[in-house]
This record gives sequence, C-alpha cells and structure tokens, in this order.
Amino acid sequence: GQQLNQSPQSMFIQEGEDVSMNCTSSSIFNTWLWYKQDPGEGPVLLIALYKAGELTSNGRLTAQFGITRKDSFLNISASIPSDVGIYFCAGPSSSGGSYIPTFGRGTSLIVHP
Amino acid sequence: NAGVTQTPKFQVLKTGQSMTLQCAQDMNHNSMYWYRQDPGMGLRLIYYSASEGTTDKGEVPNGYNVSRLNKREFSLRLESAAPSQTSVYFCASSSGPGTEQYFGPGTRLTVT
Repeated sequence: GQQLNQSPQSMFIQEGEDVSMNCTSSSIFNTWLWYKQDPGEGPVLLIALYKAGELTSNGRLTAQFGITRKDSFLNISASIPSDVGIYFCAGPSSSGGSYIPTFGRGTSLIVHP
Repeated sequence: NAGVTQTPKFQVLKTGQSMTLQCAQDMNHNSMYWYRQDPGMGLRLIYYSASEGTTDKGEVPNGYNVSRLNKREFSLRLESAAPSQTSVYFCASSSGPGTEQYFGPGTRLTVT
C-alpha cells in the first residue's frame, strides 16, 4: 500500500524551542491531515490542508501543503510541556476507485521543562 | 455528543479465544474504520466501511472480521486470538472517505 514517510521519528527538545516535522509521499495527495495523539488517547485532528501551497495556522501550529502535493510540513513554535505526544500526518490514498486513509508512522515529541 | 465510543477499554485473552470489539458513533458519519497501533508502526488500517452496507479490507486484515451493523455501529471480531494481535485498537469515523477522522479512546488488548 501507499507509504507516508514521516520524519523525524522522535524529538527531544527544551521548552520554548521551535519544532519542525515533515511527511513525504511517492504519489500525489489531494488532502493532508495532521493529528496529535496524547498518551493513552486516540488521535485528534490538528490541521487539515486541501490545496497545494496552502499554509494554515492553528495557534502555535502551522502546517503547509507542499507545492508538489507529495509532501507536507508541521511547525510548532515556542513549545510547551503539553505539546508532548505523537504527531501523525495522514492522507487519502487512491485504492481501487476509492480513497483509504494512510498514516505516517508518527513523530514522538518530548518537551523538557 | 459522545463522539466515538469503544468497548471494552481493556481486555486480556488467551490464545485461541474469540472476542468482539464494539464501536459506535453519534455524528451521523458515513464511513467507519478499525486500526491497530503498535510501537513504532503508526496506525495501520485493518478494515473500513465507506458507507453503511459495505466493508473492505485495509492494510492488515488477516485474523479479523468486521460487521457494519447499522450506520452508527461497526464491530471488529477476532475469531481465534493470537499473541501477534496484542495491540491497541482504535475505531474512527468520518463523513466520507478521505475526510477528517474522529477517533475513539482505544481498546488495549493483550493476548497471552
């Protein structure tokens, strides 16, 4: 099936630092979604991107839909301890005339106070 | 609104036992999904139901069956549990294929 390559796999940062992570695909995506999973919970949608080149913010989070439609980026500014969790990129990949959701393997973020 | 609910929250099975994981959503969504999450592997799609009355295999369907009971409910059945099925299972729903998904809290399953 379609693979989404997400990097980095993990990040250990100090509170206040900015964070960048990205996701790439070998084929074109029409939608990019970024989710966050808190420990012991299900993932929750952070940002949805629908158009190539689109830049969307949600508080301290900013995500971009790459121009090539094969990548997306998520930035977190001025990190705080509650940013800890796993961040997933996701998108619908075409399969037999339908679209099925595909997730990256996640970026695990740890923020030291 | 409860969103997506899953039962049970925790389960321990012996190899060979069977069980059904239940999932319900109250958002009138058409599409529902079952994932498993293992350390370092992200979320892998087991089965999905694009709309009521249809089900399709995902990336890792072997050893599982599903039933879309009605628009609200989508269950996952393990007929003969194996230790390799030890995982956290998430149910999700969305208004349609390719749109934002809403996840349940997960079921933590251990097979000994």
